[in-house]
Amino acid sequence: GAVVSQHPSRVICKSGTSVKIECRSLDFQATTMFWYRQFPKQSLMLMATSNEGSKATYEQGVEKDKFLINHASLTLSTLTVTSAHPEDSSFYICSAGQGASDGYTFGSGTRLTVV
Amino acid sequence: GQQVMQIPQYQHVQEGEDFTTYCNSSTTLSNIQWYKQRPGGHPVFLIQLVKSGEVKKQKRLTFQFGEAKKNSSLHITATQTTDVGTYFCAGRKISNFGNEKLTFGTGTRLTIIP
Repeated sequence: GAVVSQHPSRVICKSGTSVKIECRSLDFQATTMFWYRQFPKQSLMLMATSNEGSKATYEQGVEKDKFLINHASLTLSTLTVTSAHPEDSSFYICSAGQGASDGYTFGSGTRLTVV
Repeated sequence: GQQVMQIPQYQHVQEGEDFTTYCNSSTTLSNIQWYKQRPGGHPVFLIQLVKSGEVKKQKRLTFQFGEAKKNSSLHITATQTTDVGTYFCAGRKISNFGNEKLTFGTGTRLTIIP
């Protein structure tokens, strides 16, 4: 089955620093990947849609300059949280799909803690 | 924007009892998907429903898509401890530009008393 690898699984960083999260589709090509944010015991909130070779599409209220998304190849999308602050602490998770009739495969998520 | 609500928010059942979660979208959906997220884990795809009124079964799980394609339900018969987790519905919409978007419901957290 489809596998999506996400790294790192956990990261602790200081306020003001930047953190890069990688999302890779291991056995399929993904022209589109999605980035979500999940707070404890809450649902997944779509942050942006990452499109290979073009600019990402951000959801309303998500700061483009703070959450930089790059989708340089068909198997890799990255999310960089710039100038992180404690309120950015959350669970970030990516997903990708193989086709219209299939569900999406999620990465294992990244738990970011900003201190 | 589109909203997808689920009820109940929490469900605590005795092992062997049945469980149902209901999903309602504020807009008509292209299709609907269901995911299960275990505590500390990531969502895992269960099923996708496409047709109005569609019913699908996976062993003890029965999924239904409403006639108006705005609501759905998941029913688990005779729950087991392995069913513990949060069940999310997710509404899939495809825009006029061909972009697709998955909006997750609020989720129902199922806990089971052994």
